[in-house]
Amino acid sequence: EAGVAQSPRYKIIEKRQSVAFWCNPISGHATLYWYQQILGQGPKLLIQFQNNGVVDDSQLPKDRFSAERLKGVDSTLKIQPAKLEDSAVYLCASSLGDRGTDTQYFGPGTRLTVL
Amino acid sequence: AQTVTQSQPEMSVQEAETVTLSCTYDTSESDYYLFWYKQPPSRQMILVIRQEAYKQQNATENRFSVNFQKAAKSFSLKISDSQLGDAAMYFCAYRRAINDYKLSFGAGTTVTVRA
Repeated sequence: EAGVAQSPRYKIIEKRQSVAFWCNPISGHATLYWYQQILGQGPKLLIQFQNNGVVDDSQLPKDRFSAERLKGVDSTLKIQPAKLEDSAVYLCASSLGDRGTDTQYFGPGTRLTVL
Repeated sequence: AQTVTQSQPEMSVQEAETVTLSCTYDTSESDYYLFWYKQPPSRQMILVIRQEAYKQQNATENRFSVNFQKAAKSFSLKISDSQLGDAAMYFCAYRRAINDYKLSFGAGTTVTVRA
């Protein structure tokens, strides 16, 4: 079974530029998560989708971050404009559902460097 | 918000020996889930072990076992017979059992295995 796919794996941009990340979850997984992992810290949830609806985006900086999950499958996370403090690894995860017992499977992440 | 604390930034263990990683958490909930995730260098995060708070029996997965002390809000991970492949960052995580299913992660513990 294929795992969670993410692209690109690495991205370097200048501050104030825009960037987009793509995630393809495990087939059949209804729930998709985007996490931000700053160096030396644990991942922090940015947004959670259940199918194509947003369940939790309370920690998403909505003035610059946006995310969508069209047709309840693939998802994109966008930053516009980027700031230096956005340098981090962006992890996508998916799970079968949103029950507490549903295991979250993580992708390899996209490492973003903002110069 | 739930707080997860990992007080050991780094731990070193000799191959074939045992190492224990500490984790404490803060919650007012009586039912929840606790996890240990492993993140090898430049590789994706994988679930090591899960503990349901309503279960008194400590979870075990091969060489990995936990010591769950609910009253003390403590959840330590023991790695027995350490192998070189165990070298990674280990994250403790908390998840509510109802509603708000996001994972709250600790800052992580880097485990180094000496040959």
